Amino acid sequence: SAVISQKPSRDICQRGTSLTIQCQVDSQVTMMFWYRQQPGQSLTLIATANQGSEATYESGFVIDKFPISRPNLTFSTLTVSNMSPEDSSIYLCSVLSVNYGYTFGSGTRLTVV
Amino acid sequence: GENVEQHPSTLSVQEGDSAVIKCTYSDSASNYFPWYKQELGKGPQLIIDIRSNVGEKKDQRIAVTLNKTAKHFSLHITETQPEDSAVYFCAASRNTGNQFYFGTGTSLTVIP
Repeated sequence: SAVISQKPSRDICQRGTSLTIQCQVDSQVTMMFWYRQQPGQSLTLIATANQGSEATYESGFVIDKFPISRPNLTFSTLTVSNMSPEDSSIYLCSVLSVNYGYTFGSGTRLTVV
Repeated sequence: GENVEQHPSTLSVQEGDSAVIKCTYSDSASNYFPWYKQELGKGPQLIIDIRSNVGEKKDQRIAVTLNKTAKHFSLHITETQPEDSAVYFCAASRNTGNQFYFGTGTSLTVIP
C-alpha cells in the first residue's frame, strides 16, 4: 500500500488554539481525504482535499473550522481551528492511489483541554 | 445518501472459533465493499474487499460474502487467533474513487 506519514501522532492542546496536522505520502495519489474518529466511534469524512483548489467539505464541516491545504499530489494539511474539548478525536488522513487503492494513515490523537 | 449498519458492536470468541460480522447498506448503487481492521493506536488497514460482481471472496482465514438482493455483506474469520483482536469496520461506496460510508465498527476480542 501507499506509505503515509502523518504528524503529529498525538498532541494535547489548549482550548482556543489551533493545530495543523500534516499528511505526506510516498507516491502521487489520486485523492486525499481527512476523517475524524471520535472516541469509540466510526469514521466520519470531513473533506476531500483537492490539489490546488479549495477542499470539498461534508455536511457539518466548514472551512473556517477545518481549513485544508493540498499544494501537490503527495502532501496535505488539516488545521483544527479555535479548538474546544469537543474537537478531541483521532484525525485520519487517507489516500486513494491507482496502484494501492485506499489507504489510511496512523492518525493524530488530539486532546483539547 | 448511503447508510451502513454493522452488527454486532462487540464480539468475543474463543481462540480457534469463527467470528462473523454483518453489515447492511441502503444504496443499491453501491458496488464496492471493503473491510478494515483497526488495532489500538493505528489507522484502519484494508484486510479484504469485494465488488458487486462476485458473491464471495476468500483470503486464507478471512472471507467476505455479498448478497446484493438483500443488500448485506459479511466478514467471516475462521480459526481465530488473539492477534485478530481489533475493531473491524465495513464500508460501502459506489466505486473505489468515491466516498466511503463506514459502519459503526465491531470490537472483536479473541480469548486465548
